Amino acid sequence: DAKTTQPTSMDCAEGRAANLPCNHSTISGNEYVYWYRQIHSQGPQYIIHGLKNNETNEMASLIITEDRKSSTLILPHATLRDTAVYYCIVRPGYSGGSNYKLTFGKGTLLTVNP
Amino acid sequence: DTEVTQTPKHLVMGMTNKKSLKCEQHMGHRAMYWYKQKAKKPPELMFVYSYEKLSINESVPSRFSPECPNSSLLNLHLHALQPEDSALYLCASSLRDRAEKLFFGSGTQLSVL
Repeated sequence: DAKTTQPTSMDCAEGRAANLPCNHSTISGNEYVYWYRQIHSQGPQYIIHGLKNNETNEMASLIITEDRKSSTLILPHATLRDTAVYYCIVRPGYSGGSNYKLTFGKGTLLTVNP
Repeated sequence: DTEVTQTPKHLVMGMTNKKSLKCEQHMGHRAMYWYKQKAKKPPELMFVYSYEKLSINESVPSRFSPECPNSSLLNLHLHALQPEDSALYLCASSLRDRAEKLFFGSGTQLSVL
């Protein structure tokens, strides 16, 4: 699986957009980019995923560069409750079988400040 | 119901004890996962069950024994654990066995004395 590189930590002011970068320069053509977050003392929570196109849902937007070597997760209006560790994960596309794993890297600790 | 329920939330056990962790989901998901998370580290995959059959074992020591009695339940049986096994144990489920959108429980915080 392609490896990902994320900053260790970031700060954001409450109400502003939080832009979390992720590098995945060795990503293959059929690999998806997934984002999860983990708020302290809770299990990870799925946020969004994408393959090539930009994606948006009620939680966030995902911008994937044209060469697919990096992506950015955008939280449009960060709140204090968005303080969490954000994980960017590359997952292979389905090609049969059942040995699919979700492997977490170190992630980015986003701290939203009042 | 979009919840994965794990019990107990906290567990303290001695090295000679036998205990079990329980995980339940009623979303009709056919894949279930156990992860282990040490403090300030990312979750690490332990086991994957696909359609109630063990499909992935990440070389986990035999003192951890998973069981999937039916499609809604996942257990992790613990025996003769070591203090270094103290961690947060997370259960997750997904609709299919492709590690797509995983739903996680809140975990069981295990302390081995």
